[in-house]
Amino acid sequence: GAVVSQHPSRVICKSGTSVKIECRSLDFQATTMFWYRQFPKKSLMLMATSNEGSKATYEQGVEKDKFLINHASLTLSTLTVTSAHPEDSSFYICSASGTGHTEAFFGQGTRLTVV
Amino acid sequence: KQEVTQIPAALSVPEGENLVLNCSFTDSAIYNLQWFRQDPGKGLTSLLLIQSSQREQTSGRLNASLDKSSGRSTLYIAASQPGDSATYLCAVKELGNLIFGKGTKLSVKP
Repeated sequence: GAVVSQHPSRVICKSGTSVKIECRSLDFQATTMFWYRQFPKKSLMLMATSNEGSKATYEQGVEKDKFLINHASLTLSTLTVTSAHPEDSSFYICSASGTGHTEAFFGQGTRLTVV
Repeated sequence: KQEVTQIPAALSVPEGENLVLNCSFTDSAIYNLQWFRQDPGKGLTSLLLIQSSQREQTSGRLNASLDKSSGRSTLYIAASQPGDSATYLCAVKELGNLIFGKGTKLSVKP
């Protein structure tokens, strides 16, 4: 299957700082990328959907000014958690897919801890 | 609103057993269904993808079936091994979006 690389895998930051997470499709053009958040013992929660070259579509309840998503190219999307707080600590996972209703491929996830 | 349910939430079996994981969904208007494996602290690994027009898919010791009309899918694991221990997630694809179940945490004891 296709490869999606997510970086960093783990990050610890101080409260009030911003953190950027990168998601890259290594061997295909990702027309759509998805960002998920996973809480312990819960299913993955979709945060936003981004299409290359256009603004991301955020799910209800997700603050777009806090979780900035950029999808500037067909191989890279970034999620920036701005002014992070301890309650933002979570596991964030990106997913990418090509054109049409194709299989979704996931990154390795990023464990964010805000102290 | 689509809801995906996975039963059981957790399962512990001895090595060598065949087992079945269940997934149900409330809206049959899906494009496809995917089964994933997630190891602790890791991302998702795609196991099997079943298109809405298909009934089953097989990969090695894994077999997934889909009954779209009844809103059900099963993942069959043959001759389970300790290395199969992980959380298994199913997800249905609607227009541009994957809806996930909460997963089944599988533990295979040596």
